[in-house]
Amino acid sequence: DAGITQSPRHKVTETGTPVTLRCHQTENHRYMYWYRQDPGHGLRLIHYSYGVKDTDKGEVSDGYSVSRSKTEDFLLTLESATSSQTSVYFCAIQVIDYGYTFGSGTRLTVV
Amino acid sequence: AQSVAQPEDQVNVAEGNPLTVKCTYSVSGNPYLFWYVQYPNRGLQFLLKYITGDNLVKGSYGFEAEFNKSQTSFHLKKPSALVSDSALYFCAVRDPGGYNKLIFGAGTRLAVHP
Repeated sequence: DAGITQSPRHKVTETGTPVTLRCHQTENHRYMYWYRQDPGHGLRLIHYSYGVKDTDKGEVSDGYSVSRSKTEDFLLTLESATSSQTSVYFCAIQVIDYGYTFGSGTRLTVV
Repeated sequence: AQSVAQPEDQVNVAEGNPLTVKCTYSVSGNPYLFWYVQYPNRGLQFLLKYITGDNLVKGSYGFEAEFNKSQTSFHLKKPSALVSDSALYFCAVRDPGGYNKLIFGAGTRLAVHP
């Protein structure tokens, strides 16, 4: 999607290892979000950021941390991956009129 | 607590027939409501929003949605379905707690049959 990229697109990792997902935007938007998508649950907010070094927890933040050292980058870290964190992760930026633009997602499998 | 409900896991429609995907919400204050669509292996794409004004809002790809305050609903509609409309649809409401967070429903899979 225009202006926002996620990396990697796919990752398989072992239980107990740390994992970092990256979200990069080119449009200088202030608000950025990390969601996870699971069947039957829709999208649930993990963490969000409202500026450089300004972040806060969402609905399902346990086991996750984030960092935003530059406006354009928002990193999501799974401190010690568990099988329950197998999911599709989406980054989003808040654009004009309150709507979001989403990245293409990262499919993470924890084995 | 703020929430969004999409009561149907799946909606099946014949091509050419009208379609409705249902959404109800619970939020304090005036709701800001959204519909997004997700095609396979893709991110979510914005379809339409209601912030204020006319209760019938028009969006992308011929979709529209009707805001009903008394029934706390925001149903997505299209007069004539296409096979290419088959996708996963999400309703969302803005969290009044600030920071423009969105609360999403569980999603409804729309299947349009030829």
